[in-house]
Amino acid sequence: GQQLNQSPQSMFIQEGEDVSMNCTSSSIFNTWLWYKQDPGEGPVLLIALYKAGELTSNGRLTAQFGITRKDSFLNISASIPSDVGIYFCAGHQETSGSRLTFGEGTQLTVNP
Amino acid sequence: NAGVTQTPKFRVLKTGQSMTLLCAQDMNHEYMYWYRQDPGMGLRLIHYSVGEGTTAKGEVPDGYNVSRLKKQNFLLGLESAAPSQTSVYFCASRPDRGLAEFLHNEQFFGPGTRLTVL
Repeated sequence: GQQLNQSPQSMFIQEGEDVSMNCTSSSIFNTWLWYKQDPGEGPVLLIALYKAGELTSNGRLTAQFGITRKDSFLNISASIPSDVGIYFCAGHQETSGSRLTFGEGTQLTVNP
Repeated sequence: NAGVTQTPKFRVLKTGQSMTLLCAQDMNHEYMYWYRQDPGMGLRLIHYSVGEGTTAKGEVPDGYNVSRLKKQNFLLGLESAAPSQTSVYFCASRPDRGLAEFLHNEQFFGPGTRLTVL
């Protein structure tokens, strides 16, 4: 079953606001990935994190790999309407072979 | 490259009917995956394949079968569809970890197949 707890489940914000979401687990992960899914489309990778403590940016997006290796967060600064979608975290463990574990997703709505 | 493609995009079945969903990738990826996505439950792994001719069960394999006869294709079959299988199905693929460290675990997703079972 699911091992990643992603929060919040949904967010309703105004254009221009900053957004923060996170994933936590009781298990250690050696990779954290953040995906975005636009309505009617498949998930697209936003940021990949491979080292504990790593902080990586991709434009207005910033993600961090927690030092304990059990959590990760994603920040979006100065949100715009096209940020609307579902954001998923995914983690990889050595014991899971080639499989990823996904969080339940955060539904983001941005009001113009 | 077309990336990962899925056929069909939409389908409506009656309970008990069978169908096959096709996933194709042109990136020469070794690994392929089938997920289902239901509201509030994220992505759940149905079956996956680590190479041509191999398949393995994921988290929710019951009611589904898969085949990987060619490296570029991964088929998902429903032998007797049930309303509980109404969902959006996603296929994904990724290269072997030996190709490049930065592609270590990233999976590339197709656009999805929306299936309704009445």
